[in-house]
Amino acid sequence: AQSVTQLGSHVSVSEGALVLLRCNYSSSVPPYLFWYVQYPNQGLQLLLKYTSAATLVKGINGFEAEFKKSETSFHLTKPSAHMSDAAEYFCAVSDRAGNTPLVFGKGTRLSVIA
Amino acid sequence: GAVVSQHPSWVICKSGTSVKIECRSLDFQATTMFWYRQFPKQSLMLMATSNEGSKATYEQGVEKDKFLINHASLTLSTLTVTSAHPEDSSFYICSASAGFDQPQHFGDGTRLSIL
Repeated sequence: AQSVTQLGSHVSVSEGALVLLRCNYSSSVPPYLFWYVQYPNQGLQLLLKYTSAATLVKGINGFEAEFKKSETSFHLTKPSAHMSDAAEYFCAVSDRAGNTPLVFGKGTRLSVIA
Repeated sequence: GAVVSQHPSWVICKSGTSVKIECRSLDFQATTMFWYRQFPKQSLMLMATSNEGSKATYEQGVEKDKFLINHASLTLSTLTVTSAHPEDSSFYICSASAGFDQPQHFGDGTRLSIL
């Protein structure tokens, strides 16, 4: 069975500050890991994914995440927050990159303060 | 590319009505589509996995007679909420994948409100 734990249901940062959203996973097989962003009343947009290649993954909008097997973590970071980054962020795990169900964390709401 | 269209985006209807939600892959063929449900301020929970031309696989606790899923073509899956009641009110999101090792692409969701 796979699971995801996102630490912190709500994170608030100042504009221009570092964004750090935490994600820890549990998986009995080598995991595929994803970060998605959701804006109000919209679907999910893929930010980045880890599929067993490079452990440091760069995504869209300046986000990146590092896969750390020893810590079972896949934290999402962005050096400088922008107001438009305010949204809900979900970490997800699956046992394949593609047509297999995703197991989502509970989400972290990011607020950016001007 | 890789656009998934979900329709309608918002529906309000009376209790007892059946509601159909469509999920279309616009520029790729989706061998597998997934239906998720999201309650307010909560995560997405998988309801069912749908493969083209075969019966959907439902997650434990999801009533298959309540939530009818049809995946008749490689570009269209439908979710019908039969005899909807207020407790079925939720945000329903579909996703589609072109196949093994192809990422899932999500629709924009459908907000269902049952009065």
